[in-house]
Amino acid sequence: ETGVTQSPTHLIKTRGQQVTLRCSSQSGHNTVSWYQQALGQGPQFIFQYYREEENGRGNFPPRFSGLQFPNYSSELNVNALELDDSALYLCASSLAPLANTGELFFGEGSRLTVL
Amino acid sequence: QKEVEQNSGPLSVPEGAIASLNCTYSDRGSQSFFWYRQYSGKSPELIMSIYSNGDKEDGRFTAQLNKASQYVSLLIRDSQPSDSATYLCAVIPRSTLTFGKGTMLLVSP
Repeated sequence: ETGVTQSPTHLIKTRGQQVTLRCSSQSGHNTVSWYQQALGQGPQFIFQYYREEENGRGNFPPRFSGLQFPNYSSELNVNALELDDSALYLCASSLAPLANTGELFFGEGSRLTVL
Repeated sequence: QKEVEQNSGPLSVPEGAIASLNCTYSDRGSQSFFWYRQYSGKSPELIMSIYSNGDKEDGRFTAQLNKASQYVSLLIRDSQPSDSATYLCAVIPRSTLTFGKGTMLLVSP
């Protein structure tokens, strides 16, 4: 148990729809990172939030967006869903931005299927 | 060239043997290196971190780093069936944690 919780755990959407995934970070952690993990692949960095500001972004289009709230919980929003967006979406919290530590505490993930 | 490369495996070893997992990375400026373990259907968990050349031991696990060769490895001594999982190598080349595809390890009783 890492103390990082994600919801929903599973969901099914159709192409073109929008989805919001939620994450509560571990107590005391002010940084949240989101990763996409396709089947058989390693996690791919989407973006990171530090103290409510985006603090780094991977190679994902603008239809992937996020928020971090004052209590450091976070949301990942994906618009105009495509079939290739089907993946496990992992939220990870840390004590500091990734430039300073690679120790991430992952939630159990949200498995998204796009039909 | 991918930033972090691993053989996807599976790597099969008998119980009690030494498992050797390898990883290469492309960015010479990388300073921080990590090994995460991911059981099937679960999320990754950090098992080792290493920042300087040489070996770092923690129980049955030893991480090895060679920055000149851009090479990181993880040795698991006295492998157990419970070690069967995918091992992800991760590197911080700039300001993001970049993962390899992972190597699946299977330890047979």
